[in-house]
Amino acid sequence: EPEVTQTPSHQVTQMGQEVILRCVPISNHLYFYWYRQILGQKVEFLVSFYNNEISEKSEIFDDQFSVERPDGSNFTLKIRSTKLEDSAMYFCASSEPKETQYFGPGTRLLVL
Amino acid sequence: AQSVAQPEDQVNVAEGNPLTVKCTYSVSGNPYLFWYVQYPNRGLQFLLKYITGDNLVKGSYGFEAEFNKSQTSFHLKKPSALVSDSALYFCAVRDWYTGNQFYFGTGTSLTVIP
Repeated sequence: EPEVTQTPSHQVTQMGQEVILRCVPISNHLYFYWYRQILGQKVEFLVSFYNNEISEKSEIFDDQFSVERPDGSNFTLKIRSTKLEDSAMYFCASSEPKETQYFGPGTRLLVL
Repeated sequence: AQSVAQPEDQVNVAEGNPLTVKCTYSVSGNPYLFWYVQYPNRGLQFLLKYITGDNLVKGSYGFEAEFNKSQTSFHLKKPSALVSDSALYFCAVRDWYTGNQFYFGTGTSLTVIP
């Protein structure tokens, strides 16, 4: 069964550093998403991406965040200058139009 | 505004007993409703969804959920709980018409006691 994959599984970084989280969505899906889950809190939507552009974004997704589909398979989330409060589990998801979103295993980001 | 409430942080049930994990929702239009399960150090796994049609939806691993429009609820149920069902369960909603983003509840930790 096809699944969404994410790398790395864990990332530790210093405050102010840039991080790039990577995702490989399910191959025939056209919509891609990033969500985050701060420890003990709910899963929160960050951004959705379709046809090589952002289709929706939340208030969390400020200028420090960017997304890219650099090639035919990867979908990345970049945080330019990490803050302590960016520490969270980041989930990538993909879907067909208006269909179930399938989630990856997540990247646990720790900002020190 | 779209939102989901899971009123119970923790549910404990004895193995073999029926289980219910509660979810209520608020959307401006027609809801798409979903249940996901999260095992330790794993991602969110899709269990089932309600889009339209029959109010009782059957999903993976023997789980089912009942959509109740008047009570704006979508409770997850299973007739006979297994120890392996112990996990974190998330309810999610998206509006039929507006956008693709999911709104998640805070999650309910289910423990099935042997």
